[in-house]
This record gives sequence, C-alpha cells and structure tokens, in this order.
Amino acid sequence: GQQVMQIPQYQHVQEGEDFTTYCNSSTTLSNIQWYKQRPGGHPVFLIQLVKSGEVKKQKRLTFQFGEAKKNSSLHITATQTTDVGTYFCGPDSSYKLIFGSGTRLLVRP
Amino acid sequence: DTGVSQDPRHKITKRGQNVTFRCDPISEHNRLYWYRQTLGQGPEFLTYFQNEAQLEKSRLLSDRFSAERPKGSFSTLEIQRTEQGDSAMYLCASSPRGGNTIYFGEGSWLTVV
Repeated sequence: GQQVMQIPQYQHVQEGEDFTTYCNSSTTLSNIQWYKQRPGGHPVFLIQLVKSGEVKKQKRLTFQFGEAKKNSSLHITATQTTDVGTYFCGPDSSYKLIFGSGTRLLVRP
Repeated sequence: DTGVSQDPRHKITKRGQNVTFRCDPISEHNRLYWYRQTLGQGPEFLTYFQNEAQLEKSRLLSDRFSAERPKGSFSTLEIQRTEQGDSAMYLCASSPRGGNTIYFGEGSWLTVV
C-alpha cells in the first residue's frame, strides 16, 4: 500500500518565523490530502492536491505537490500561535486515507 | 449542518470488559471510516463501510474488534475482552458519495485499566 513519511517530526518556532513540513513517498501518489489536528482535537481537512506540480494557497499556508507526485509540502509564512498543532499528510488509497506520522508544530509567542 | 457525532466521548473500562462506540456520520455520507490514534501517532485505518457493506478491514483489526453499519447510517465499533493496548482514541469519519474528503468526528477516548 501507499505509505508516506513526514519530516520533521517536530518543530518549535518563534512566532513570526516560517515553517515547512514535507511529505515523501517512494511511490507515485494519485493525490495527497493535508489535515491539521489541534492539541486534544480531531483531524480537520485542509486541502487536497491532485495535479503534478500543483500549488495551492490558503492565506499564509502554501501547499505544493511535486512534479513526480511523490512528495508534497506545506509551508506556513509568519507563523502565529493559532497554527499550533500536528499537520498530517495522507494519500487517498482506494477511498481510504493512509496518514503519515505528522509534524507537530509548536509556536513560541 | 451537524458533523460526525461520536458517543461516548470518553470511556474508562477494566481490562477484559467489552466496550461499544457509536458513530453517526454526516447525513447522506455513504462512506464511513474507523481509525485509531495513539499519542504522538497519526490515525491508523481500521475499517470502512460503503453504505452498509464493510469493504475493507485492516490487519490491525483483531478478532476482538467488530464493526457494523446495519442500515447504512450509524455505525458501532465493539471491542471485546479489552486489553491495555487498546487504550487509544477511536476516530470515526465519513465522506460523501463522489468525494474523497474525510470529515472526522471528535473521537472516543478509551482507557483500559
């Protein structure tokens, strides 16, 4: 099945700094979805990427799907304390999502 | 618009007891999923239903676990003879026909003592 690895596992940034998390697969992915889970909360859908080289933006968040469709990234510009949480990527494999282990983001105010 | 609803939200049980969790998906969502999540890990897929049919089960789902969705609406996940290793958050999710975005419930926390 399709598996993804996320790096880093953990990042602690000063408020205002940028943050990037990467999602890597050894196989070509049909699509990739990104979710955010706040501490004590449940995963919430952020975005889906489908096309090779696709870039999508949501305010300070920029999502990218690699040309080979084997990796993806999420970049947050000028982090805020509200960005705290764990960010998961996951390919859709036969209608089910297989999640990576996530990147936990902490933001120092 | 109500989201995915799970009950109970928290359950503490003694080892060896049976527990059952209920999930009510978003109305008219035909696919329903169960995931399990432990601290510091991503959600692990357990099983999913399309309408009332259980289409896939993970190898993680031992014979102590059973899930049903008898009328294609709500679902139950039962764990028999609970073990301490079953302690986790059990997440239910649903997705609409023709779509693949998954909407999660708030989860049911299980602690086996």
